[in-house]
Amino acid sequence: DQQVKQNSPSLSVQEGRISILNCDYTNSMFDYFLWYKKYPAEGPTFLISISSIKDKNEDGRFTVFLNKSAKHLSLHIVPSQPGDSAVYFCAASGGSGTYKYIFGTGTRLKVLA
Amino acid sequence: NAGVTQTPKFQVLKTGQSMTLQCAQDMNHEYMSWYRQDPGMGLRLIHYSVGAGITDQGEVPNGYNVSRSTTEDFPLRLLSAAPSQTSVYFCASSYGSPPGPHEQFFGPGTRLTVL
Repeated sequence: DQQVKQNSPSLSVQEGRISILNCDYTNSMFDYFLWYKKYPAEGPTFLISISSIKDKNEDGRFTVFLNKSAKHLSLHIVPSQPGDSAVYFCAASGGSGTYKYIFGTGTRLKVLA
Repeated sequence: NAGVTQTPKFQVLKTGQSMTLQCAQDMNHEYMSWYRQDPGMGLRLIHYSVGAGITDQGEVPNGYNVSRSTTEDFPLRLLSAAPSQTSVYFCASSYGSPPGPHEQFFGPGTRLTVL
């Protein structure tokens, strides 16, 4: 049972345009969501997080939006740069006594120069 | 600060062999975890630890053992390797335990092939 889903395995975007990566979840107990970026042959690195009491969090070119009623979050990258080409994972945690992060399957973003 | 280190980087095993993947962090983080990454499956949690002496199972614990005798080290043991354990393994640590917006720091990974 996939509690965190990233339904788009890949996405291509022109340099300078907006990249929108999507993530859906099924567990209403999740109350924190995080995005990680992963380059080939490296470990994931943290990008940005959001608490379920917020609907938006912004950090430079990266903005995460959370729609709790739809159990959906999205990561916006504006403007997209070739160095943003990587695999992006969303992760979620929450629920009493649950000491785990659940990751999605990832979306490979390719930013075309 | 070395961050999270993992050894070895690459390993080839034969079916039935055992081995230990090493993980260490120098950030005094309480929470440590092991994930495996497989194509199309994302990162799946194998085991985690909320502090020295405390470990618990993640989503895919079968065939793996862990221990946490110190804050710094969190080794992952494969008891009897199987081809299904061919994967890339990542160790991670964070200052706080979930739930929470705690950034996990990941090691560079170990690529394991089981023949």
